Amino acid sequence: GAGVSQSPSNKVTEKGKDVELRCDPISGHTALYWYRQSLGQGLEFLIYFQGNSAPDKSGLPSDRFSAERTGGSVSTLTIQRTQQEDSAVYLCASSLWSGEDYGYTFGSGTRLTVV
Amino acid sequence: AQSVTQLGSHVSVSEGALVLLRCNYSSSVPPYLFWYVQYPNQGLQLLLKYTTGATLVKGINGFEAEFKKSETSFHLTKPSAHMSDAAEYFCAVNQAGTALIFGKGTTLSVSS
Repeated sequence: GAGVSQSPSNKVTEKGKDVELRCDPISGHTALYWYRQSLGQGLEFLIYFQGNSAPDKSGLPSDRFSAERTGGSVSTLTIQRTQQEDSAVYLCASSLWSGEDYGYTFGSGTRLTVV
Repeated sequence: AQSVTQLGSHVSVSEGALVLLRCNYSSSVPPYLFWYVQYPNQGLQLLLKYTTGATLVKGINGFEAEFKKSETSFHLTKPSAHMSDAAEYFCAVNQAGTALIFGKGTTLSVSS
């Protein structure tokens, strides 16, 4: 597609439920990233996929968070047993790693509210 | 490990005044540096980036930034602020093959 697509755009869930957030990167982009944006906290790196390499999970805040990327394209971020502090905007980005096109393109995000 | 420090969480200027948003980074190898802007209720938009070559980088909307290795800085400037520049600005750093690390952001307010 023309851009990075995230769904849903908004999600309200009850505390303790599991949620899945989806990201469709730009076709041909080998790298995919998840970030969390909370008020006053900037953008917090969560996880990074690059091609067929093992993902960099160093930013995941707890074992309730996990992500997978199927077929080198679509990615799903899963949050189990959601807590109120998980409320944030979750952003996905994809990138190319070569030449003048080097850069990241961000999706519009999923706003997660845990009630 | 890489890190980014944005000095000043909130900067206020008058319309027509110089905009200066400060960013300092920490990186063990030559970094790639970025500035992003986020308008209210919108996504992140790339303003400009430095990878290699000329250290003065020009971006969209009249913004520019200069990579100063000796000062580990990548400050963002615009000669004359416009009301439409009011937004949140993020500085970010990475190296090839690693994730982009962001600063906490600076909110720019522009008054008439």
